[in-house]
Amino acid sequence: SQTIHQWPATLVQPVGSPLSLECTVEGTSNPNLYWYRQAAGRGLQLLFYSVGIGQISSEVPQNLSASRPQDRQFILSSKKLLLSDSGFYLCAWSVRVADTQYFGPGTRLTVL
Amino acid sequence: AQKVTQAQTEISVVEKEDVTLDCVYETRDTTYYLFWYKQPPSGELVFLIRRNSFDEQNEISGRYSWNFQKSTSSFNFTITASQVVDSAVYFCALLTLYNQGGKLIFGQGTELSVKP
Repeated sequence: SQTIHQWPATLVQPVGSPLSLECTVEGTSNPNLYWYRQAAGRGLQLLFYSVGIGQISSEVPQNLSASRPQDRQFILSSKKLLLSDSGFYLCAWSVRVADTQYFGPGTRLTVL
Repeated sequence: AQKVTQAQTEISVVEKEDVTLDCVYETRDTTYYLFWYKQPPSGELVFLIRRNSFDEQNEISGRYSWNFQKSTSSFNFTITASQVVDSAVYFCALLTLYNQGGKLIFGQGTELSVKP
């Protein structure tokens, strides 16, 4: 069966520091991968998605970037964090674009 | 525009009561997909159900049931005989396809509190 991992689970970072969040999927090949952010107040927003290695589409141009160095690895990065980057970051995967998206456990990021 | 509205921000019930969570969606697509997810306090989004736009059959899974009506653009979720473990935030979502990707448009969520 397929499983999705995210780490770290929680992170507290100072403003201006870099960021690297990792997501990996096991048990499937060539998944579609997604990064969502859930800000306070519950709204979930798609940040990036990838349909293959090296293919990244950005939904919300901002302080963040994403990369997919391996088939089942998706990384969310920032060179300099802002206070507004605080939130709950969720990675998801699906087999095809029209299929159900399954979510990882999430990373709770607090920028101070 | 694609949009999902969950008008109920919070609902509080007593255990064993039935409760219905409302979801209204807007889309211009003729083919689309609707979902319900559960978010317990741990934070992980748990998939509950998926419905395709061309399949209006209602579905029952144990104490959970879903009523999909295209005529009113609604996809409501009912929990029968609620239990304390049902306490969570529930999200309705619409999957829209474009640019080779699939984007979930979420409602703002309904926080359900089931008291013993």
